[in-house]
Amino acid sequence: DQQVKQNSPSLSVQEGRISILNCDYTNSMFDYFLWYKKYPAEGPTFLISISSIKDKNEDGRFTVFLNKSAKHLSLHIVPSQPGDSAVYFCAASASGNNRLAFGKGNQVVVIP
Amino acid sequence: KAGVTQTPRYLIKTRGQQVTLSCSPISGHRSVSWYQQTPGQGLQFLFEYFSETQRNKGNFPGRFSGRQFSNSRSEMNVSTLELGDSALYLCASSVQAGRTDTQYFGPGTRLTVL
Repeated sequence: DQQVKQNSPSLSVQEGRISILNCDYTNSMFDYFLWYKKYPAEGPTFLISISSIKDKNEDGRFTVFLNKSAKHLSLHIVPSQPGDSAVYFCAASASGNNRLAFGKGNQVVVIP
Repeated sequence: KAGVTQTPRYLIKTRGQQVTLSCSPISGHRSVSWYQQTPGQGLQFLFEYFSETQRNKGNFPGRFSGRQFSNSRSEMNVSTLELGDSALYLCASSVQAGRTDTQYFGPGTRLTVL
């Protein structure tokens, strides 16, 4: 049972434009959400997180938005850079629990 | 500060054998979690260790086991290997367990079962 879902497996975007990645979850116990970026043959690299007490968190070019009522979050990358080309994973966990549930990932290609 | 390290990076085994993978967490991190990544199932949680105790376990058969040492280093073992165990095995560490905490991943061990 996929508790975290990422649709639109791939996304192509021009350099300098905005990349928007979406993630939906089904488990209402989830209260901590993270985005990871992954290159082939490497482990996921932590990008940004948000707890359920907030609806927005920003770190440089990365902003995550959380809509708890819709059980939906999104990652905005602006401006997109060629080095952002990677697979992006959405992950979620419940309070007091380090057990992460992951989405299947979105392949992002930034075109120079 | 050094990141999470995993050894070996690549491993080839045959069906029926067993394998042990090792993980050294970031210095000061006491919680270690293991994940399996396959093309079909994606990233799936195996188990988490904190203070040498297993705190959480995912939905994997008993052939998958792990342990943690007093210095927080962790090992996972897979016995009686099956072809379907071919995957990237990822270790992640965080400061502590018992609260939501950011996990940092190592580079993974690529296991191929022939």
